[in-house]
Amino acid sequence: DTGVSQDPRHKITKRGQNVTFRCDPISEHNRLYWYRQTLGQGPEFLTYFQNEAQLEKSRLLSDRFSAERPKGSFSTLEIQRTEQGDSAMYLCASSARGGNTIYFGEGSWLTVV
Amino acid sequence: AQTVTQSQPEMSVQEAETVTLSCTYDTSESDYYLFWYKQPPSRQMILVIRQEAYKQQNATENRFSVNFQKAAKSFSLKISDSQLGDAAMYFCAYRSAPNAGGTSYGKLTFGQGTILTVHP
Repeated sequence: DTGVSQDPRHKITKRGQNVTFRCDPISEHNRLYWYRQTLGQGPEFLTYFQNEAQLEKSRLLSDRFSAERPKGSFSTLEIQRTEQGDSAMYLCASSARGGNTIYFGEGSWLTVV
Repeated sequence: AQTVTQSQPEMSVQEAETVTLSCTYDTSESDYYLFWYKQPPSRQMILVIRQEAYKQQNATENRFSVNFQKAAKSFSLKISDSQLGDAAMYFCAYRSAPNAGGTSYGKLTFGQGTILTVHP
């Protein structure tokens, strides 16, 4: 049973560039979540999907952020026109239908220079 | 909206001793779940223990146990016989239950975290 996988694990980009992160949830998990975590802080909720439907978006998710889960399996998180304040770890997580526990991936570190 | 507060930014413990990490939360919901997650440096966040609010019995997982005080909205984690591998950032987290009637079912709300150091 593979866990939640995220790619890339590390990304350094110049301010103004676009970046995209991919998340593959645990097989058959219908819920998928994106969180953002800055150093020394707890994760902050960004958005989540149930199958392919995006059910909730945080106010933290500005217009420059977009997430998709087109076939209800993997998901992508795109950040357009990156800013230095976007530097953080982006965590993906998944949970099963009716499951109470959310399982996390190892995260994708973004550094905007 | 629910909030989770961890008032201890850092804690330390001697190997083989016991340590308790504190967590309080605020909610108007009656049914929910509480979690403790462990995040070692540069490593994956993993679940330590889970508590359902409707259960009066405190959850235990081997050396880890919780003291869940629903009326006080308190959820502390006790680590017994601490080991060097327990060193990590610990997060308390809240999740609404499906039948809570709230709009935030699904997502976790985290506290600020407590860094635990274990001394040999």
